[in-house]
Amino acid sequence: GAGVSQTPSNKVTEKGKYVELRCDPISGHTALYWYRQSLGQGPEFLIYFQGTGAADDSGLPNDRFFAVRPEGSVSTLKIQRTERGDSAVYLCASSHQAGGSTDTQYFGPGTRLTVL
Amino acid sequence: DAKTTQPPSMDCAEGRAANLPCNHSTISGNEYVYWYRQIHSQGPQYIIHGLKNNETNEMASLIITEDRKSSTLILPHATLRDTAVYYCIVRGFGAAGNKLTFGGGTRVLVKP
Repeated sequence: GAGVSQTPSNKVTEKGKYVELRCDPISGHTALYWYRQSLGQGPEFLIYFQGTGAADDSGLPNDRFFAVRPEGSVSTLKIQRTERGDSAVYLCASSHQAGGSTDTQYFGPGTRLTVL
Repeated sequence: DAKTTQPPSMDCAEGRAANLPCNHSTISGNEYVYWYRQIHSQGPQYIIHGLKNNETNEMASLIITEDRKSSTLILPHATLRDTAVYYCIVRGFGAAGNKLTFGGGTRVLVKP
């Protein structure tokens, strides 16, 4: 079946602008995760949703970052007043149910964000 | 989650088995060992996971030592398409295990 999809695949923006990154999870998966990967490093956790609610947002670096999942499916990561340090690949993953015994996270291809 | 230690890089000959080690000496009883890989410019791909028994699937085998302080991922017949960064991750289930903590991984280069 279809995997996790993310749009856009690439986003170039200017410092100070607002961006939205979209994630479509695997159908039927109730848990959704956002990670950020800087060049040469492993992914770092940002936030995860169980259904519509953000169950853990401890990885969001500051209040410029916000994520929503209003209907429990598609999620949008929103970054306000972008800075050059926000440049990274933003990865989304989904799983059947957070914390369950079959809770394997499956990743999308990522969105490469470049802030000029 | 327990910390993992992996060699930063290793080479492997095409067609041969690739054995990727991982140390996780502080693993606790309810923590699983997960392996993912990341091919260049793609998202991480799930490979396999285990608790204490050895596991095998169509991609790889996972051998976990009896004391669970280390494990080895085995790619039985490496191909050029197996060139990737391989991440060993220790995680619990429940709220504590929902965030995957990636280390530096092992950069595997499969050579013809």
